[in-house]
Amino acid sequence: GENVEQHPSTLSVQEGDSAVIKCTYSDSASNYFPWYKQELGKGPQLIIDIRSNVGEKKDQRIAVTLNKTAKHFSLHITETQPEDSAVYFCAAKPEGAGSYQLTFGKGTKLSVIP
Amino acid sequence: GAGVSQSPSNKVTEKGKDVELRCDPISGHTALYWYRQSLGQGLEFLIYFQGNSAPDKSGLPSDRFSAERTGGSVSTLTIQRTQQEDSAVYLCASSLVPQRETQYFGPGTRLLVL
Repeated sequence: GENVEQHPSTLSVQEGDSAVIKCTYSDSASNYFPWYKQELGKGPQLIIDIRSNVGEKKDQRIAVTLNKTAKHFSLHITETQPEDSAVYFCAAKPEGAGSYQLTFGKGTKLSVIP
Repeated sequence: GAGVSQSPSNKVTEKGKDVELRCDPISGHTALYWYRQSLGQGLEFLIYFQGNSAPDKSGLPSDRFSAERTGGSVSTLTIQRTQQEDSAVYLCASSLVPQRETQYFGPGTRLLVL
């Protein structure tokens, strides 16, 4: 089955700096890669996703890049703000009509220092 | 609109007792998922429901765990004879159809087994 590795497990940045979180996956059939943000006491919320036919996707201060050859994808947050502090999870899912199961990384706790 | 709701938000129980956790998916979503999130860990898939099809129970950790989904909407996750290692956050998610990958999560039920 799919295996997703996520690094780093914790990340501290100064407000205004950029943050980068990286994930690798094992199943070359995976073609959908979402990122979730989980604030304390809440469920994960989707913040951005990318499919394998796209190399990069951006939404305001958040961007995700995908390298299918190397089987890794990254989340980039620019101009970080204190409200970006949360746990971020990457995930991967293979293609196919019967494929529905997301495999998650173990999460990165991001702390933005004012 | 209303998101995924879960109840109770917190549950404290004694070892050996049974517990029931409830999930109300987003109206119209045909796919429903249960995950378990242990402290500092990623999301562990438990079970998946899609319409009237037989559920995928492959992630359930033992036969003490069971789930049902009535009328294609509300789902209940039951843990019998709870053990301390069952302590975790139990998250429910739903998606419009399984091929639409975006899963929307509820806030979770925090279960503590004493």
